[in-house]
Amino acid sequence: GAVVSQHPSRVICKSGTSVKIECRSLDFQATTMFWYRQFPKQSLMLMATSNEGSKATYEQGVEKDKFLINHASLTLSTLTVTSAHPEDSSFYICSADPDVAEHYNEQFFGPGTRLTVL
Amino acid sequence: KQEVTQIPAALSVPEGENLVLNCSFTDSAIYNLQWFRQDPGKGLTSLLLIQSSQREQTSGRLNASLDKSSGRSTLYIAASQPGDSATYLCAVRSSDDKIIFGKGTRLHILP
Repeated sequence: GAVVSQHPSRVICKSGTSVKIECRSLDFQATTMFWYRQFPKQSLMLMATSNEGSKATYEQGVEKDKFLINHASLTLSTLTVTSAHPEDSSFYICSADPDVAEHYNEQFFGPGTRLTVL
Repeated sequence: KQEVTQIPAALSVPEGENLVLNCSFTDSAIYNLQWFRQDPGKGLTSLLLIQSSQREQTSGRLNASLDKSSGRSTLYIAASQPGDSATYLCAVRSSDDKIIFGKGTRLHILP
């Protein structure tokens, strides 16, 4: 149980295009999901907290108009990188916080999406 | 501001040895601490979660301890195997509900 999927796993796009990444909790509901990015040989950095039915909370330094987050249901959050540029190339990982007491405050992570902007 | 430090940054040990990875945090007001492993280019796999009220958790050859008052956690791996080679990350969930990661320890088990 507690599986999180991400789609796509890898994407290559031209500079200026927008890319949407989906994060799904497959066998549980999650009111709260998180989006991280990871640069090579660096740790994960929290970008934003996604809450179902309300606006995402962005970390300092993360442009909310650049990284659009939509948490439309209890099993799906999407991250859209708008007008992507080469410096947005990174590994993006989502995680979900299951709405069950058994996994209270425990994070389950998706497999990640590698974005390469040419 | 919570800061999480992992020592060492990299570690190589012969197969079969027991080893300890360290994680320290500056603010003891935490909800929990979680250990993950990450294989190159992959997402994170949760290993062990320790709630703030607990002192240790065990899963197979892994044992994680938590000393909240001193801001320390250790991950003990018994009888290491080449398949244990990965980057190990600890993450602290603070009282403000933020999750802060350490930079990880790159572990290499020598066959």
